[in-house]
Order: sequence, then structure tokens, then C-alpha cells
Amino acid sequence: SAVISQKPSRDICQRGTSLTIQCQVDSQVTMMFWYRQQPGQSLTLIATANQGSEATYESGFVIDKFPISRPNLTFSTLTVSNMSPEDSSIYLCSVGTGWREQYFGPGTRLTVT
Amino acid sequence: RKEVEQDPGPFNVPEGATVAFNCTYSNSASQSFFWYRQDCRKEPKLLMSVYSSGNEDGRFTAQLNRASQYISLLIRDSKLSDSATYLCVVNGVGGYQKVTFGIGTKLQVIP
Repeated sequence: SAVISQKPSRDICQRGTSLTIQCQVDSQVTMMFWYRQQPGQSLTLIATANQGSEATYESGFVIDKFPISRPNLTFSTLTVSNMSPEDSSIYLCSVGTGWREQYFGPGTRLTVT
Repeated sequence: RKEVEQDPGPFNVPEGATVAFNCTYSNSASQSFFWYRQDCRKEPKLLMSVYSSGNEDGRFTAQLNRASQYISLLIRDSKLSDSATYLCVVNGVGGYQKVTFGIGTKLQVIP
């Protein structure tokens, strides 16, 4: 299994601002994923962070709103841009191949006021 | 139809009871199935994979029914520590084999 850390663990932000969330893995991994879990909802995949190429976004998520970086095989960032209260959620990164189990970071709890 | 459907519950059961959850999936080409556990305000963690032949891990039994496109999780002799949300997870079809999570079934084991 992989050990994953995320920063920050939580934040309260004003609307219109941006927040960058960091995800660090203790080993090199090919695929990293970013999820959102809104209150009372399940996890929704935002995008797959690919090392050396652009992220692959799921339907309903766009790069301008959620830019992602993947500079190496152990690190990724997700930025939530021009935030609104609807962006209040838990954001989780995970690692693993699609058909194997995934390991999740502890999550970043974001509140937008 | 949702890709993965679960009864959100909550299921309130007494200690020692047996409880079962079902989860249906829409994509007949799905290849891999999992149950995850998520404690309140924590990240999801893998509980067990689900194999065609069914599999058991202690008090937990998972089964897959491909014909009817559902998976199940059976918990015997429920403990207070089993209280959590149980997420059904199914892989989709695609170049990177996207994984889809159900909304989760909340279990509350009562003393």
C-alpha cells in the first residue's frame, strides 16, 4: 500500500479566490486521481493526473476551473479556481490503477464563504 | 440509471446481528468490484475485493452476481466498530479503467 499525505487538511476561503491542494505519495506511482466528495454524496472523479502530460478530466470538470499539475511520480496539485460556495467539499487524491484497489489521502476539507 | 446504485440507509442493527447490503451496477462490461469502508470524516479504505466465486474475510462475505449485475456484502456478528458507510465500487470501461463509487450504505450498530 502507499502512504499519501495532503495539504492543507482543511481551509476556509472567500469566494472568488483560489486554493491549491498538494498530494504527496511515499513511492512512485503511475496514476494519481483527484476526487470530490460533496456533503451527503459519494466520491466523484474530477480528473486523472498524468505525469508528463495534461490531466484527463471527467465530464463536468474543466481545466480552467480545476488545473492540475503532476511534475513527478510522487506529487500532484489540484487548484480550485475562482471558488464559489458550491465548491465547498472534501477533495481527495488517490493512487492506484483503475482495476486494482485505490489508496486515498486523508482529504482536504474546503469551505467557501 | 446510475452507474452504481446503493441503498443509502441508514441500517440500524443490534450488536451480533447479521446485515447484508446490495449494490447494482449498470455496465455489464465492468470487470472489477470492491467494497470500501468510510468512517465519518475519514477517507475511504479498501475493505475487500469481490470475486466471481465469492470471497470471505472473517465476518465479511462478498459475492458477485454477474447475471443480475449486483454485488453484495454480508456482515455477520456485527460489532459496534463496524459502524461506518460502506461504498460499493465498480470499475468502468475505458482506456484508464475509471472507477465509479456508489453513494454508500450507512450502517449503525447499536449496543
